[in-house]
Amino acid sequence: GQQLNQSPQSMFIQEGEDVSMNCTSSSIFNTWLWYKQDPGEGPVLLIALYKAGELTSNGRLTAQFGITRKDSFLNISASIPSDVGIYFCAGPRDDKIIFGKGTRLHILP
Amino acid sequence: NAGVMQNPRHLVRRRGQEARLRCSPMKGHSHVYWYRQLPEEGLKFMVYLQKENIIDESGMPKERFSAEFPKEGPSILRIQQVVRGDSAAYFCASSVTASSNQPQHFGDGTRLSIL
Repeated sequence: GQQLNQSPQSMFIQEGEDVSMNCTSSSIFNTWLWYKQDPGEGPVLLIALYKAGELTSNGRLTAQFGITRKDSFLNISASIPSDVGIYFCAGPRDDKIIFGKGTRLHILP
Repeated sequence: NAGVMQNPRHLVRRRGQEARLRCSPMKGHSHVYWYRQLPEEGLKFMVYLQKENIIDESGMPKERFSAEFPKEGPSILRIQQVVRGDSAAYFCASSVTASSNQPQHFGDGTRLSIL
């Protein structure tokens, strides 16, 4: 089946550091989505990318849709404690959304 | 996640019992999707429904699982004769249309535990 591969699986960082994570696919997606999931909650859409090469920001978050339409990255600048959570890349396929396995972000005290 | 309401938030069942999970979509949304999330995994699509119709159930096991979205009331995901492997978080999402440019909004899920 279709797979989205996210890396890294986990990240342990200090507060204030910048974060970078990425997502690759063996097949093309026409839309890339980045979601965040807090413990005990559902995923919340952070950024949606609709055009190859598009670079979009949402506050301290920046995401890019790769030119080949097979990859995307998400950057978080100056991390804060509430950034802790699981970040999923996802892509719509027909009427469903395909999710990656997530990158787990931990912030060290 | 205001808008998509799922209940119960937690459900405990013994093997062999039935589990009923409910989802009320956001106001004005007539498209409902169910996903399952196992620990350390992403969400996996199960079924997509519009009012009174199942559009795509390709991700839902053929046996023991069923879904409905009646004209009135919430969407229901029903699991009969539950087994330990059914333990997971089940999320519902809704959208205005089925277009890939229309985001799906997720509820906070039902965490099903099978004893």
